Amino acid sequence: DAGVTQSPTHLIKTRGQQVTLRCSPKSGHDTVSWYQQALGQGPQFIFQYYEEEERQRGNFPDRFSGHQFPNYSSELNVNALLLGDSALYLCASSPFPNSLGGSANTIYFGEGSWLTVV
Amino acid sequence: AQKITQTQPGMFVQEKEAVTLDCTYDTSDPSYGLFWYKQPSSGEMIFLIYQGSYDQQNATEGRYSLNFQKARKSANLVISASQLGDSAMYFCAMREAYNFNKFYFGSGTKLNVKP
Repeated sequence: DAGVTQSPTHLIKTRGQQVTLRCSPKSGHDTVSWYQQALGQGPQFIFQYYEEEERQRGNFPDRFSGHQFPNYSSELNVNALLLGDSALYLCASSPFPNSLGGSANTIYFGEGSWLTVV
Repeated sequence: AQKITQTQPGMFVQEKEAVTLDCTYDTSDPSYGLFWYKQPSSGEMIFLIYQGSYDQQNATEGRYSLNFQKARKSANLVISASQLGDSAMYFCAMREAYNFNKFYFGSGTKLNVKP
């Protein structure tokens, strides 16, 4: 059973360009969340998708957008890239709803996509 | 206000010894969960241990235990009998009951296990 898979694993972009990162959730999971982890910091919540809609959003500008497809996979798009967007982008999947009293590790993280903006 | 605070940017421990990684949290939600994740250089977040706010006993998972002090809002991770493979970044995280798919992470602690 494949876990959360992300692509690409590494990429380099130029300032001003656009990037699309992809995530396939673990089998049976229908909710996808995206996190940005800058170097030396903890992950920061970007947004969450469920039923092909953005359900929650963290403190990120509109340059960050996403999409969820009928098969629950998801994309993260970042427009007008800045140097400060260089980070590890993590995708996490879980079933929805995910009861707090339920299995604690029903949220799974992928290995991330390392984005470098030059 | 910071939801999760980890005050130890880096820690060293001798192989086979125990080590405690500190974590304090801030929430007004009476129902929440606390997590510890290990992140090796590959980037994947590996789940280690979970503590629910209503759990009466401290959580344990093999060599990992969570020292939960609710009144102090602390959730320290204790790793017993450290191994060289334990060298990694460790993150404390919290999610609140009304927002269970959103994690708040601390800034992490880099643990180095010395042979």
